[in-house]
Amino acid sequence: AQSVTQLDSHVSVSEGTPVLLRCNYSSSYSPSLFWYVQHPNKGLQLLLKYTSAATLVKGINGFEAEFKKSETSFHLTKPSAHMSDAAEYFCVVSGLHSGNTPLVFGKGTRLSVIA
Amino acid sequence: DARVTQTPRDKVTEMGQEVTMRCQPILGHNTVFWYRQTMMQGLELLAYFRNRAPLDDSGMPKDRFSAEMPDATLATLKIQPSEPRDSAVYFCASGLGGTDTQYFGPGTRLTVL
Repeated sequence: AQSVTQLDSHVSVSEGTPVLLRCNYSSSYSPSLFWYVQHPNKGLQLLLKYTSAATLVKGINGFEAEFKKSETSFHLTKPSAHMSDAAEYFCVVSGLHSGNTPLVFGKGTRLSVIA
Repeated sequence: DARVTQTPRDKVTEMGQEVTMRCQPILGHNTVFWYRQTMMQGLELLAYFRNRAPLDDSGMPKDRFSAEMPDATLATLKIQPSEPRDSAVYFCASGLGGTDTQYFGPGTRLTVL
């Protein structure tokens, strides 16, 4: 079965400093991996997606993530945090190898950005 | 800008009452998912449909929850009778079979008193 582990439940950074949100996955085959963001009282928005093409994936709002098979990791980074980045971030793996099937969510990492 | 819509956005009801939540998937999407989000459990799948047929509803309490797709533009999730432990945010998501990307609606925040 597929699973994801988000290593930090809460990360706090100062505005203008780098962001690193860590995620490890478990899958019996090459998975599709996603990062979604949820702002307070909002729905989930897709940040980026990895599907076995380039291992470095660029997303919206300056975020990117690197797929590392040897480490089974898919960490999310951003060079410089903005106040508007404060939100909950979910690392997600697809349930099956192909087709649109239920997603398996991590527990989430709450990102706080300090002015 | 195509997006998933959900109604109502907020619902407060009393224990024992029936609750119906509605979702309009993105036009042309053939796969619809219902997820529930709580502080304790995080995001969990309740049910999903492809081409209006239910594929998996193992995440739903069968005695009180039901999910249907009367047509390709409407999915419903019904709770009868509702209980305080059903209080959560319920998300609908849609996508195309053959791809992995799901697009989420804004959610329905349900409070059962």
